[in-house]
Amino acid sequence: DAGITQSPRHKVTETGTPVTLRCHQTENHRYMYWYRQDPGHGLRLIHYSYGVKDTDKGEVSDGYSVSRSKTEDFLLTLESATSSQTSVYFCAISRGTGGSNQPQHFGDGTRLSIL
Amino acid sequence: AQTVTQSQPEMSVQEAETVTLSCTYDTSESDYYLFWYKQPPSRQMILVIRQEAYKQQNATENRFSVNFQKAAKSFSLKISDSQLGDAAMYFCAYSLSGGSNYKLTFGKGTLLTVNP
Repeated sequence: DAGITQSPRHKVTETGTPVTLRCHQTENHRYMYWYRQDPGHGLRLIHYSYGVKDTDKGEVSDGYSVSRSKTEDFLLTLESATSSQTSVYFCAISRGTGGSNQPQHFGDGTRLSIL
Repeated sequence: AQTVTQSQPEMSVQEAETVTLSCTYDTSESDYYLFWYKQPPSRQMILVIRQEAYKQQNATENRFSVNFQKAAKSFSLKISDSQLGDAAMYFCAYSLSGGSNYKLTFGKGTLLTVNP
């Protein structure tokens, strides 16, 4: 268990509402990531963070924002949810030291349904 | 941009037999890492095995081994003595080495069924 907690685990909401997903880690790892998983697409990177207040976009960042005010928490926000954002969302963490890529460890995922 | 391709959407194997899952990738870099992750029905993402591109020796982890062909940009996963618990979605993933924020690029996955 890599000490990652995602909340909520499941959420159903309506189009146009704001949604925030939380990722909490107890490992003090520098790197944190948000992915979405959709059938036929595998996992795709939304945003990532390389330190407190240091974030950058991934390949599918449109419609999403993130914040990291503490090492342990990484928030993903959908400002105005759309049905195309229905997905399973995974948070991951990595120690990421030097040239030796430490593998990413994943949370248990959040299933988000937008009606 | 790097891409990862898993050409087998589904595979099946008899219990105790051996199965090989294919993965190819495209990159212009020489220093990178490759991973296989397993996702059982519980939805957890579990790291199976990792290969460093600068190492010629193929990685092994118990019943799991890889065939890493750097020139061909191929990274297949062999599961020996397949067990019912091996049934899962398997994802191949690529990460550029150091200074890249260690982002993972995933393939679309191969669903493995293990028949008793």
